[in-house]
Amino acid sequence: GAGVSQTPSNKVTEKGKYVELRCDPISGHTALYWYRQSLGQGPEFLIYFQGTGAADDSGLPNDRFFAVRPEGSVSTLKIQRTERGDSAVYLCASAGAGGDTQYFGPGTRLTVL
Amino acid sequence: QKEVEQDPGPLSVPEGAIVSLNCTYSNSAFQYFMWYRQYSRKGPELLMYTYSSGNKEDGRFTAQVDKSSKYISLFIRDSQPSDSATYLCAMSAGGAQKLVFGQGTRLTINP
Repeated sequence: GAGVSQTPSNKVTEKGKYVELRCDPISGHTALYWYRQSLGQGPEFLIYFQGTGAADDSGLPNDRFFAVRPEGSVSTLKIQRTERGDSAVYLCASAGAGGDTQYFGPGTRLTVL
Repeated sequence: QKEVEQDPGPLSVPEGAIVSLNCTYSNSAFQYFMWYRQYSRKGPELLMYTYSSGNKEDGRFTAQVDKSSKYISLFIRDSQPSDSATYLCAMSAGGAQKLVFGQGTRLTINP
């Protein structure tokens, strides 16, 4: 079956602009995670959804970052007033009901000029 | 100090060698331990998954967890050039909890 998909694969924007990053999880997976990976580093947790609700948003760096999952499937990560330091690869992962194995998408490479 | 420490390398070995990768961690609440492989410009791919302490083998890969020492390892036997990638250790305190990753070790297998 299809894996986790993310769109766009690349996004270049200017400082101060608003961006939306989309994640389509594996069909039937109830848990969805967002991570951010900077160059040469491991992924860092941002937010975790169980169904439609955010079960843990402790990794969001500030209030410019927001994520939604309105129907419990597709999720959108929204970044307002982008800064150059937001440049990174944004990874999405999903997991089944047991939640113990996370499967990652290919990521969206965000570049803020 | 980071919760999970991993030597970033780079590590370069000849084809056929045994590779040893490892991570240390500080949070004794971690119960689930994973190794992911990440090729350049791709997402992490799950290689091995271990719950609590012990060993797990899958083909050429062996994962070991020593909770008393807070130390985990991944061994790759008969290494192949296609194993060249970045290897990430990851761990969590609960089944559906967030993963905490190491920095990743960049591995190159030379033909």
